[in-house]
Amino acid sequence: SYELTQPLSVSVALGQTARITCGGNNIGSKNVHWYQQKPGQAPVLVIYRDSNRPSGIPERFSGSNSGNTATLTISRAQAGDEADYYCQVWDSSILFGGGTKLTVL
Amino acid sequence: EVQLVESGGGLVQPGGSLRLSCAASGFTFSSYEMNWVRQAPGKGLEWVSYISSSGSTIYYADSVKGRFTISRDNAKNSLYLQMNSLRAEDTAVYYCARWEGAFDYWGQGTLVTVSS
Repeated sequence: SYELTQPLSVSVALGQTARITCGGNNIGSKNVHWYQQKPGQAPVLVIYRDSNRPSGIPERFSGSNSGNTATLTISRAQAGDEADYYCQVWDSSILFGGGTKLTVL
Repeated sequence: EVQLVESGGGLVQPGGSLRLSCAASGFTFSSYEMNWVRQAPGKGLEWVSYISSSGSTIYYADSVKGRFTISRDNAKNSLYLQMNSLRAEDTAVYYCARWEGAFDYWGQGTLVTVSS
């Protein structure tokens, strides 16, 4: 069965760029979506179909997808970006990555 | 404004049943595919079930197949999840989520605890 692999944690200095990866076999051929989840809250869609931002999501959030890795990039990281981030694809069923905890130092 | 409000969670004994509901508003419910997604305490997101806009197409995760039943009432703008033969590992917050190629809107979730 298909698997998505995310790092457990990523740290970034305030104002710097954070990159969160999502690995999967030939994931570049799939549509990848990214969700942000803050403690005690429901997830929020931040990137859909690899690189598209829903309305209301800051331009600091961007995405890319090629080969075996999809990447969520958060530029000029802010304290409010601290959250868990999940990638998601559809491959015979809906799959989530294990999630990455982003810490802003 | 799109709103999804789950209800029906609670404490249930192993082997018991529970029915979750999700009340939708702010959009044409009958036009959208819907899902249930759950999250065990301290764990990641797990997709549970999908239903098409008309209800004619349904999918389940292997972990719940044969025990859970998803349904919808488009006249009542409501989504349901009937959960039978509940196990301790079904303990989670259950979210209903609208599908528009991705999960574009989520409810706040309802907690289901399976314990004796």
